[in-house]
Amino acid sequence: AQSVSQHNHHVILSEAASLELGCNYSYGGTVNLFWYVQYPGQHLQLLLKYFSGDPLVKGIKGFEAEFIKSKFSFNLRKPSVQWSDTAEYFCAVNARTGGFKTIFGAGTRLFVKA
Amino acid sequence: GAVVSQHPSWVICKSGTSVKIECRSLDFQATTMFWYRQFPKQSLMLMATSNEGSKATYEQGVEKDKFLINHASLTLSTLTVTSAHPEDSSFYICSARAGMGTSGPYEQYFGPGTRLTVT
Repeated sequence: AQSVSQHNHHVILSEAASLELGCNYSYGGTVNLFWYVQYPGQHLQLLLKYFSGDPLVKGIKGFEAEFIKSKFSFNLRKPSVQWSDTAEYFCAVNARTGGFKTIFGAGTRLFVKA
Repeated sequence: GAVVSQHPSWVICKSGTSVKIECRSLDFQATTMFWYRQFPKQSLMLMATSNEGSKATYEQGVEKDKFLINHASLTLSTLTVTSAHPEDSSFYICSARAGMGTSGPYEQYFGPGTRLTVT
């Protein structure tokens, strides 16, 4: 079955630390990949997306993600986190094989200590 | 562009009553809309997919008679939770996708969500 896995459920970092959140998927064929952020009490916001081309994707707020096809991964990174990055982060995937329905990972709750 | 709205943003209803949630694509025509639910501290779970003018396709485990979906126009889909019970309390999020084209069908645009509380 098609699935999206996020390895870290809870991450606690100090300000200025580097961040990497893992995401793996099990779809076959061509995939479209997304990272969303949900700040406390707010709705989903798109951080970045990958459809094709350069596997290193840059998004908003200093985030980037790298698509590694051989590893079925799309990890999210940020070199230096801020307190305001405290939020929940969701990896999401859709593909032609899944009717282009976007499926979400379980989410990673990030807490950044000031 | 690509804005999706939901109404209401928050609703409380009594057990046994029905509640309707609207999802609108404001600046594009959405041939396909999706409904998700999100329990507290959990991820978004896809409930159903609806195509304009067609019956919705429900994910496994989702009761189609309980969660009625209507996608009568290219800009409006509604989710009606019938005979709601406290366990239906959740955050319901819709998303919309434009038709085939250079920007689709890859990306879905998400609404702000509707928080349903059933007492």
